[in-house]
Amino acid sequence: GAVVSQHPSWVICKSGTSVKIECRSLDFQATTMFWYRQFPKQSLMLMATSNEGSKATYEQGVEKDKFLINHASLTLSTLTVTSAHPEDSSFYICSAISGGENSPLHFGNGTRLTVT
Amino acid sequence: GQNIDQPTEMTATEGAIVQINCTYQTSGFNGLFWYQQHAGEAPTFLSYNVLDGLEEKGRFSSFLSRSKGYSYLLLKELQMKDSASYLCAAMDSNYQLIWGAGTKLIIKP
Repeated sequence: GAVVSQHPSWVICKSGTSVKIECRSLDFQATTMFWYRQFPKQSLMLMATSNEGSKATYEQGVEKDKFLINHASLTLSTLTVTSAHPEDSSFYICSAISGGENSPLHFGNGTRLTVT
Repeated sequence: GQNIDQPTEMTATEGAIVQINCTYQTSGFNGLFWYQQHAGEAPTFLSYNVLDGLEEKGRFSSFLSRSKGYSYLLLKELQMKDSASYLCAAMDSNYQLIWGAGTKLIIKP
């Protein structure tokens, strides 16, 4: 089945630094990728929708200058958390659509970010 | 507005059957998804329904009634490893997923 690889699986960084998270579709072309954030014991919160070759669409309340998204190819999207702060510590998950409009969403394994 | 409702938590016994309900209200409809998520892990896809009726996949089945805006996930022969959160999500006319808050399923021996 469709596989989405997300890297790194966990990262610890110092406050004020930037962290890049990669999301790759390994065996399919993903025209659309989604980035989610999840706090402990809460459901997924959509941060942005990333379309290949165009600017990402951010959800209300998500700072686009802080969470930079690049979807340069049909198999790779990146999320960069800039000038990270402890409150950015969370579980970040990417997902991608494979196939047609009614195909299921496939998730990466997530990245646990801890900002100290 | 768009809304997904599912119970916050359910408890069941190993070997038994449990049904997790989900009701949805969306602007247009392009399918209903169920995902399983273990604590600290990303969700994994379980099922997708776009037509009315029951879809069976091994121990898991999913049902959809579009006229009622209702779906359920049925888990049979429960195993301890089925303890997880189960997320219901409906896709609207813009192909955006509207997520429920998830149902935490606790399996007792």
